[in-house]
Amino acid sequence: AQSVTQPDIHITVSEGASLELRCNYSYGATPYLFWYVQSPGQGLQLLLKYFSGDTLVQGIKGFEAEFKRSQSSFNLRKPSVHWSDAAEYFCAVGGNNDMRFGAGTRLTVKP
Amino acid sequence: IAGITQAPTSQILAAGRRMTLRCTQDMRHNAMYWYRQDLGLGLRLIHYSNTAGTTGKGEVPDGYSVSRANTDDFPLTLASAVPSQTSVYFCASSGRTSGGAVNEQFFGPGTRLTVL
Repeated sequence: AQSVTQPDIHITVSEGASLELRCNYSYGATPYLFWYVQSPGQGLQLLLKYFSGDTLVQGIKGFEAEFKRSQSSFNLRKPSVHWSDAAEYFCAVGGNNDMRFGAGTRLTVKP
Repeated sequence: IAGITQAPTSQILAAGRRMTLRCTQDMRHNAMYWYRQDLGLGLRLIHYSNTAGTTGKGEVPDGYSVSRANTDDFPLTLASAVPSQTSVYFCASSGRTSGGAVNEQFFGPGTRLTVL
């Protein structure tokens, strides 16, 4: 079965600084990879997804992620963080019957 | 278009009581899912349904049951609630990729359940 690890439970960055959230996956076949964001009290919203092709994918809100098969990673990046980016971020890998989520990384943005 | 609706928004329940969480989607997705979200554990799949009339067990199915009588509705039932079922419950739906894997999931707003 597929699995996802997000090594960082909590990250704090200053507004305007760059951001990288780490994600490592385990999956036997070609992975379908996703990043979701969850604001407090809300459901999850898709930021971006990777199925195949270009390993650098662009998403909403200025986010991007890079798929690196050799490292089994799918890290999320943003060049300049805004205060509204403060939220919980989840990496996920899609399988045949379900989607496995990482435990999440909580992002705090300092003024 | 509402997407996915869940009811109730929140509920406080006495242990031993029966409870059904409701989930309805209007996107005509074949697949639907129930997750629970607990601090530090992310989202864990309880049950899923690939199409109306079929269901399957996820990662943490014990104490929960589901049914899928039609495409739109996917209720989750706790037959006899216990305090460890205190959690936030999310319903989701999705289509499939061309390769048959689970595609982007669309989530409802969640139900916050407290079992005392």
